[in-house]
Amino acid sequence: QTVVTQEPSLTVSPGGTVTLTCASSTGAVTSGYYPNWFQQKPGQAPKALIYSTSSKHSWTPARFSGSLLGGKAALTLSGVQPDDEAEYYCLLYYGGAWVFGGGTKLTVL
Amino acid sequence: QVQLVQSGAEVKKPGASVKVSCRASGYTFTSYYMHWVRQAPGQGLEWMGIINPSGGSTTYAQKFQGRVTMTRDTSTSTVYMELSSLRSEDTAFYYCARYLSSGYYIVDYWGQGTLVTVSS
Repeated sequence: QTVVTQEPSLTVSPGGTVTLTCASSTGAVTSGYYPNWFQQKPGQAPKALIYSTSSKHSWTPARFSGSLLGGKAALTLSGVQPDDEAEYYCLLYYGGAWVFGGGTKLTVL
Repeated sequence: QVQLVQSGAEVKKPGASVKVSCRASGYTFTSYYMHWVRQAPGQGLEWMGIINPSGGSTTYAQKFQGRVTMTRDTSTSTVYMELSSLRSEDTAFYYCARYLSSGYYIVDYWGQGTLVTVSS
């Protein structure tokens, strides 16, 4: 069974920079896994942020960026704002099937 | 504008089935696949499967094989997810999410979620 692993929790100061990662139990994450990233706030449906590793949706703030880093997919937030406090999930493609990471709870403190 | 509107909350007894709908508007229904994703209370997102509204083909997560059926009605631009043999662990929010596989593998719009409660 494929497992996708994210940091359970991270804390960042307002205005700071933080990188969330997404690892696959099958090995290095490449662009062929088409990483998607989502933000979810309490009581809300998830909201899409990034697709295909690094592409942004029209509504994605410029401070969010996606990349591949050390064999993992990564989501970097630069100039973090209090409103960025949320749960973040990655989603990876495995040739027909998809698997979500366990999520990272980002605290802005 | 793109909208995915899901059916209302359901309460089911163990062993029963539930059918959740997701009505799409604001785009060409058959041009985008639809994921189904669930989230148990306080837990993470779990991928259940995907349906191609154009031909009706489906791919299900191994965990739900034999228990889940995804269908579509092109006349009403609606996709359905039916889960059978319900147990308490199936209590969760169920979401539909639009997906474009045009080489970019884009998951963009989500429905508002449908709470399914399984309780005797």
